[in-house]
Amino acid sequence: GAGVSQSPSNKVTEKGKDVELRCDPISGHTALYWYRQSLGQGLEFLIYFQGNSAPDKSGLPSDRFSAERTGGSVSTLTIQRTQQEDSAVYLCASGAGSSYNEQFFGPGTRLTVL
Amino acid sequence: DAKTTQPNSMESNEEEPVHLPCNHSTISGTDYIHWYRQLPSQGPEYVIHGLTSNVNNRMASLAIAEDRKSSTLILHRATLRDAAVYYCILRDPIYNQGGKLIFGQGTELSVKP
Repeated sequence: GAGVSQSPSNKVTEKGKDVELRCDPISGHTALYWYRQSLGQGLEFLIYFQGNSAPDKSGLPSDRFSAERTGGSVSTLTIQRTQQEDSAVYLCASGAGSSYNEQFFGPGTRLTVL
Repeated sequence: DAKTTQPNSMESNEEEPVHLPCNHSTISGTDYIHWYRQLPSQGPEYVIHGLTSNVNNRMASLAIAEDRKSSTLILHRATLRDAAVYYCILRDPIYNQGGKLIFGQGTELSVKP
């Protein structure tokens, strides 16, 4: 079946602009996670959704970052007033049922802030 | 979740077994040991996980020390496609109910033909 998909695959933006990154999880997966991977910080957790609610937002680096999930499916990560340090690969993962099932990762969105 | 320690890099020859070690001396009784790997230019993928007993699946085997302070991921016959960064991650269902993954630096495995 279809895996986790993310769009766009690449995004180049200018400093100060807002960007939206989209994640389509595997159908039926109730858990959804956002991570980011940058050269300096490695892979880091951003936010976790169970259904449409986000019980763990502890990884969001600043209030410029927000995310929502609708219909228990698609999720959007929004970064306002982008900064150069936001440049990274943003990865989405989904999981079924128990949060301790394996997570399935998408291919990521590479964000470059000029 | 407790911390893990892995070698930064390892090398292997194709078609030979590979043993990737992970130390987790502060592991709690409820920590599960998970392994993920990340192939170049791809998102991470699940490999295997276990609690106390050794585990086998189609990708690999996981050998867990009796005191659980260390574990070893075993690839029985390395292929070029196994070249990746391998992450050993502890997940505690009591204190990490959301199941988020906390990645360390991992071990970069290179496989020589």
